[in-house]
Amino acid sequence: NAGVTQTPKFQVLKTGQSMTLQCAQDMNHEYMSWYRQDPGMGLRLIHYSVGAGITDQGEVPNGYNVSRSTTEDFPLRLLSAAPSQTSVYFCASSRIRDRRYEQYFGPGTRLTVT
Amino acid sequence: AQSVAQPEDQVNVAEGNPLTVKCTYSVSGNPYLFWYVQYPNRGLQFLLKYITGDNLVKGSYGFEAEFNKSQTSFHLKKPSALVSDSALYFCAVRVMNRDDKIIFGKGTRLHILP
Repeated sequence: NAGVTQTPKFQVLKTGQSMTLQCAQDMNHEYMSWYRQDPGMGLRLIHYSVGAGITDQGEVPNGYNVSRSTTEDFPLRLLSAAPSQTSVYFCASSRIRDRRYEQYFGPGTRLTVT
Repeated sequence: AQSVAQPEDQVNVAEGNPLTVKCTYSVSGNPYLFWYVQYPNRGLQFLLKYITGDNLVKGSYGFEAEFNKSQTSFHLKKPSALVSDSALYFCAVRVMNRDDKIIFGKGTRLHILP
């Protein structure tokens, strides 16, 4: 049981480049989400998914795409990187359909866009 | 719109003294409320949650939180602070309706002074 894994741990991109941040969980959680963490801003929700085939926008979705083709994977795509997307990105998964709530975060991806 | 407020950017407490980290929320339905802790260069760790039942919730590392519906608050407390409690603390809320977003506050940095 690996929990929530994220790759890569660090990434440097040039403005305009695209890339995909990977997130996977092996706990059969239905709910997965992506957050970005910026100093003084806390964690802001980018996109989330309540199950395979279902995604929705969070607070700051612009510039990011997601898909959820399987329960396990929830990749985050940056279509054309901008310096404003320099941040630490966290993926999370949770089981929230009953009282046995549990949520786990990945270790994070530190992204720098130059 | 649902939101979470952590009014203090930083809280300083002497070791051995009681600590409180404040959180207020604004939601239109029945909330799930959470506290998370983040140590330097680490992901978020779940501390405790309130779903229903007893307003005083006990969590990891000796922390507890009190749900106050009339004041829409969910303050985090600990009777006797440890230096190792120094970290960044986040309050979060999920609303029990079709919108399954989990929204985080901006975080409060807790400094425990030896």
